[in-house]
Amino acid sequence: NAGVTQTPKFQVLKTGQSMTLQCAQDMNHNSMYWYRQDPGMGLRLIYYSASEGTTDKGEVPNGYNVSRLNKREFSLRLESAAPSQTSVYFCATLSPAETQYFGPGTRLLVL
Amino acid sequence: GDSVTQMEGPVTLSEEAFLTINCTYTATGYPSLFWYVQYPGEGLQLLLKATKADDKGSNKGFEATYRKETTSFHLEKGSVQVSDSAVYFCALSDSGNEKLTFGTGTRLTIIP
Repeated sequence: NAGVTQTPKFQVLKTGQSMTLQCAQDMNHNSMYWYRQDPGMGLRLIYYSASEGTTDKGEVPNGYNVSRLNKREFSLRLESAAPSQTSVYFCATLSPAETQYFGPGTRLLVL
Repeated sequence: GDSVTQMEGPVTLSEEAFLTINCTYTATGYPSLFWYVQYPGEGLQLLLKATKADDKGSNKGFEATYRKETTSFHLEKGSVQVSDSAVYFCALSDSGNEKLTFGTGTRLTIIP
């Protein structure tokens, strides 16, 4: 039982490059989330998905797109990376008991 | 809208000291309240939670009581250990809302 997994663990991009962050869960949870974590700002919600086939914007969606491919997978895409997107990205799910389960994070550096 | 305010860090304590990390909230409904902990290099994990007024959540020696009259959910531990060094996040989930609102986090360092 792996819980929530994220790939890659670490990535360096140049400004303007694109990439997709992958997230998968094996807990059969309906809701999935993408957050970014920056020093002094806590966690900020980028996008979330309440169920397969639905996605909604969070607090900071600009510059990102998401795809809920199926119940297990929720990917985050940066079409044209900017230095302001340097951050640590966390994927999470929500259990029926309102507990969020987080992946280990992806550390992204945009030069 | 909903918001969570927690005490600024960093907090540095000696081993076996008493810990309090303050957390207050603003919510429109009747929220559930949470404390999450993040150890170095890891994602967040649930530490404890309380779903209604006067409930006390507890885990690993940590406690927090849901105080509706003061809109607070302060985290306490009677005797901290070096292994408690981490970042602690207070959060709320408002009734019917699947999104959690997090505080900015408090970094705790325990020195031997």
